Amino acid sequence: SQTIHQWPATLVQPVGSPLSLECTVEGTSNPNLYWYRQAAGRGLQLLFYSVGIGQISSEVPQNLSASRPQDRQFILSSKKLLLSDSGFYLCAWSRGVLNYGYTFGSGTRLTVV
Amino acid sequence: GQQLNQSPQSMFIQEGEDVSMNCTSSSIFNTWLWYKQDPGEGPVLLIALYKAGELTSNGRLTAQFGITRKDSFLNISASIPSDVGIYFCAGSINNDMRFGAGTRLTVKP
Repeated sequence: SQTIHQWPATLVQPVGSPLSLECTVEGTSNPNLYWYRQAAGRGLQLLFYSVGIGQISSEVPQNLSASRPQDRQFILSSKKLLLSDSGFYLCAWSRGVLNYGYTFGSGTRLTVV
Repeated sequence: GQQLNQSPQSMFIQEGEDVSMNCTSSSIFNTWLWYKQDPGEGPVLLIALYKAGELTSNGRLTAQFGITRKDSFLNISASIPSDVGIYFCAGSINNDMRFGAGTRLTVKP
Protein backbone atom coordinates (compact mmCIF):
# COMPACT_ATOMS: atom_id res chain seq x y z
CA SER A 1 0.00 0.00 0.00
CA GLN A 2 1.05 3.58 -0.52
CA THR A 3 2.19 5.77 2.34
CA ILE A 4 3.38 9.33 2.56
CA HIS A 5 5.84 10.58 5.18
CA GLN A 6 6.38 14.19 6.09
CA TRP A 7 8.82 15.61 8.63
CA PRO A 8 9.40 17.25 10.96
CA ALA A 9 5.97 17.42 12.59
CA THR A 10 6.70 20.76 14.24
CA LEU A 11 9.39 23.36 13.73
CA VAL A 12 10.19 26.69 15.36
CA GLN A 13 12.64 28.78 13.39
CA PRO A 14 13.93 32.35 13.77
CA VAL A 15 13.30 34.94 11.10
CA GLY A 16 16.02 34.86 8.47
CA SER A 17 16.96 31.23 9.03
CA PRO A 18 16.80 28.60 6.26
CA LEU A 19 14.11 25.97 5.92
CA SER A 20 14.00 22.44 4.61
CA LEU A 21 10.89 20.26 4.85
CA GLU A 22 10.96 16.80 3.38
CA CYS A 23 8.25 14.55 2.01
CA THR A 24 8.61 11.01 0.71
CA VAL A 25 6.12 8.59 -0.78
CA GLU A 26 6.32 4.81 -0.65
CA GLY A 27 4.55 2.11 -2.58
CA THR A 28 4.05 3.91 -5.86
CA SER A 29 6.11 5.27 -8.72
CA ASN A 30 5.98 8.51 -10.66
CA PRO A 31 3.46 10.19 -8.36
CA ASN A 32 2.32 13.77 -8.74
CA LEU A 33 3.55 15.63 -5.66
CA TYR A 34 2.21 18.80 -4.05
CA TRP A 35 3.05 21.28 -1.31
CA TYR A 36 0.16 23.16 0.31
CA ARG A 37 0.14 25.78 3.07
CA GLN A 38 -2.72 26.27 5.46
CA ALA A 39 -2.88 29.41 7.59
CA ALA A 40 -4.53 29.00 11.00
CA GLY A 41 -8.14 27.93 10.55
CA ARG A 42 -8.06 28.67 6.85
CA GLY A 43 -8.23 26.82 3.55
CA LEU A 44 -5.52 25.12 1.54
CA GLN A 45 -3.20 27.17 -0.65
CA LEU A 46 -1.29 25.29 -3.36
CA LEU A 47 2.36 26.33 -3.36
CA PHE A 48 4.12 23.91 -5.71
CA TYR A 49 3.42 20.77 -7.66
CA SER A 50 5.60 18.33 -9.56
CA VAL A 51 4.76 15.75 -12.20
CA GLY A 52 8.27 14.29 -12.38
CA ILE A 53 11.88 14.47 -11.23
CA GLY A 54 13.24 17.99 -11.58
CA GLN A 55 9.86 19.34 -12.76
CA ILE A 56 8.45 22.00 -10.45
CA SER A 57 5.54 24.33 -11.04
CA SER A 58 4.97 27.27 -8.73
CA GLU A 59 1.48 28.56 -8.04
CA VAL A 60 2.31 31.50 -5.81
CA PRO A 61 5.40 33.77 -5.99
CA GLN A 62 7.16 33.87 -2.62
CA ASN A 63 10.47 33.24 -0.92
CA LEU A 64 9.90 29.50 -0.87
CA SER A 65 11.19 26.99 -3.40
CA ALA A 66 10.66 23.31 -4.05
CA SER A 67 12.80 20.55 -5.48
CA ARG A 68 12.27 16.95 -6.50
CA PRO A 69 15.66 15.24 -6.51
CA GLN A 70 14.17 11.74 -6.66
CA ASP A 71 10.95 10.25 -7.98
CA ARG A 72 9.32 9.94 -4.57
CA GLN A 73 10.97 12.81 -2.71
CA PHE A 74 9.71 16.37 -2.57
CA ILE A 75 11.48 19.11 -0.61
CA LEU A 76 10.25 22.56 0.38
CA SER A 77 12.96 25.11 1.11
CA SER A 78 13.65 28.69 1.96
CA LYS A 79 16.93 30.58 2.22
CA LYS A 80 15.54 33.17 4.66
CA LEU A 81 12.29 32.68 6.51
CA LEU A 82 9.81 35.51 7.06
CA LEU A 83 7.26 35.80 9.86
CA SER A 84 4.54 35.39 7.25
CA ASP A 85 5.89 31.93 6.39
CA SER A 86 4.38 30.54 9.59
CA GLY A 87 1.66 28.00 8.95
CA PHE A 88 0.78 24.37 8.51
CA TYR A 89 2.53 22.80 5.52
CA LEU A 90 1.05 19.76 3.87
CA CYS A 91 2.60 17.45 1.33
CA ALA A 92 0.32 15.35 -0.87
CA TRP A 93 0.56 12.88 -3.70
CA SER A 94 -1.76 11.70 -6.43
CA ARG A 95 -1.78 9.42 -9.41
CA GLY A 96 -1.51 11.08 -12.80
CA VAL A 97 -5.28 11.22 -13.14
CA LEU A 98 -6.91 13.03 -10.24
CA ASN A 99 -10.08 10.96 -10.03
CA TYR A 100 -8.90 9.41 -6.79
CA GLY A 101 -7.95 12.70 -5.22
CA TYR A 102 -4.92 13.41 -3.12
CA THR A 103 -3.41 11.58 -0.17
CA PHE A 104 -2.04 14.05 2.32
CA GLY A 105 0.85 13.75 4.74
CA SER A 106 0.36 14.53 8.41
CA GLY A 107 1.69 18.06 8.04
CA THR A 108 4.43 20.26 9.51
CA ARG A 109 3.54 23.07 11.87
CA LEU A 110 6.06 25.86 11.20
CA THR A 111 6.34 28.81 13.55
CA VAL A 112 8.70 31.59 12.56
CA VAL A 113 9.68 33.75 15.54
CA GLY B 1 -9.26 29.46 -12.41
CA GLN B 2 -12.32 27.70 -11.10
CA GLN B 3 -13.35 28.71 -7.60
CA LEU B 4 -15.32 26.65 -5.14
CA ASN B 5 -17.71 28.30 -2.71
CA GLN B 6 -18.13 26.17 0.38
CA SER B 7 -20.75 26.91 3.01
CA PRO B 8 -21.27 27.35 5.81
CA GLN B 9 -17.86 28.49 7.03
CA SER B 10 -18.54 27.09 10.48
CA MET B 11 -21.23 25.18 12.36
CA PHE B 12 -21.91 24.69 16.05
CA ILE B 13 -24.30 21.82 16.70
CA GLN B 14 -25.45 19.54 19.48
CA GLU B 15 -24.47 15.92 19.53
CA GLY B 16 -27.08 13.86 17.72
CA GLU B 17 -28.05 16.57 15.25
CA ASP B 18 -27.73 16.18 11.50
CA VAL B 19 -25.31 18.35 9.52
CA SER B 20 -25.41 19.56 5.95
CA MET B 21 -22.75 21.48 4.01
CA ASN B 22 -22.29 22.17 0.34
CA CYS B 23 -20.00 23.42 -2.38
CA THR B 24 -20.86 25.28 -5.54
CA SER B 25 -18.85 26.31 -8.55
CA SER B 26 -19.35 28.44 -11.63
CA SER B 27 -17.71 25.70 -13.71
CA ILE B 28 -18.22 21.96 -14.01
CA PHE B 29 -16.11 19.24 -12.47
CA ASN B 30 -15.65 15.58 -13.37
CA THR B 31 -15.02 14.46 -9.81
CA TRP B 32 -16.14 15.77 -6.44
CA LEU B 33 -14.38 14.76 -3.25
CA TRP B 34 -14.96 15.41 0.43
CA TYR B 35 -12.14 15.46 2.99
CA LYS B 36 -12.04 15.76 6.76
CA GLN B 37 -9.15 17.34 8.64
CA ASP B 38 -8.69 16.58 12.33
CA PRO B 39 -6.81 19.22 14.34
CA GLY B 40 -3.08 19.11 13.61
CA GLU B 41 -3.43 16.43 10.93
CA GLY B 42 -3.60 16.29 7.16
CA PRO B 43 -7.00 16.00 5.42
CA VAL B 44 -8.30 12.48 4.89
CA LEU B 45 -10.54 11.48 2.01
CA LEU B 46 -14.09 10.63 3.10
CA ILE B 47 -16.07 10.21 -0.11
CA ALA B 48 -15.34 10.46 -3.84
CA LEU B 49 -18.05 11.03 -6.45
CA TYR B 50 -17.57 10.39 -10.16
CA LYS B 51 -20.92 10.80 -11.90
CA ALA B 52 -23.50 13.57 -12.04
CA GLY B 53 -26.38 12.62 -9.76
CA GLU B 54 -24.35 10.03 -7.88
CA LEU B 55 -25.28 9.58 -4.23
CA THR B 56 -22.73 7.79 -2.06
CA SER B 57 -22.71 6.90 1.62
CA ASN B 58 -19.88 6.11 4.01
CA GLY B 59 -21.39 5.18 7.37
CA ARG B 60 -23.23 8.24 8.70
CA LEU B 61 -21.92 10.36 5.83
CA THR B 62 -23.78 10.86 2.56
CA ALA B 63 -22.59 12.96 -0.37
CA GLN B 64 -24.09 13.77 -3.75
CA PHE B 65 -22.64 14.92 -7.06
CA GLY B 66 -25.00 17.60 -8.38
CA ILE B 67 -26.84 17.03 -11.65
CA THR B 68 -25.36 20.19 -13.15
CA ARG B 69 -21.83 19.00 -12.14
CA LYS B 70 -21.35 22.39 -10.49
CA ASP B 71 -22.21 21.46 -6.93
CA SER B 72 -22.02 18.81 -4.25
CA PHE B 73 -23.29 18.39 -0.72
CA LEU B 74 -22.23 16.38 2.30
CA ASN B 75 -24.61 15.29 5.04
CA ILE B 76 -23.65 13.85 8.41
CA SER B 77 -26.40 12.15 10.36
CA ALA B 78 -26.59 11.82 14.14
CA SER B 79 -23.38 13.74 14.80
CA ILE B 80 -20.97 12.60 17.52
CA PRO B 81 -18.12 14.50 19.23
CA SER B 82 -15.44 12.91 17.02
CA ASP B 83 -17.03 14.50 13.96
CA VAL B 84 -15.36 17.78 14.93
CA GLY B 85 -12.89 19.08 12.42
CA ILE B 86 -12.69 20.93 9.14
CA TYR B 87 -14.47 19.47 6.13
CA PHE B 88 -13.18 20.35 2.68
CA CYS B 89 -14.82 19.83 -0.66
CA ALA B 90 -12.66 19.45 -3.76
CA GLY B 91 -13.47 19.38 -7.44
CA SER B 92 -11.33 17.91 -10.15
CA ILE B 93 -11.31 18.30 -13.94
CA ASN B 94 -8.53 17.93 -16.51
CA ASN B 95 -5.86 17.24 -13.90
CA ASP B 96 -6.78 20.40 -12.01
CA MET B 97 -7.93 20.09 -8.39
CA ARG B 98 -9.60 22.94 -6.48
CA PHE B 99 -10.46 23.01 -2.79
CA GLY B 100 -13.18 24.84 -0.97
CA ALA B 101 -12.24 27.01 2.01
CA GLY B 102 -13.58 24.44 4.46
CA THR B 103 -16.43 24.11 6.96
CA ARG B 104 -15.36 24.02 10.59
CA LEU B 105 -17.65 21.75 12.57
CA THR B 106 -17.98 21.90 16.36
CA VAL B 107 -20.11 19.31 18.13
CA LYS B 108 -21.25 20.03 21.68
CA PRO B 109 -21.82 16.94 23.84
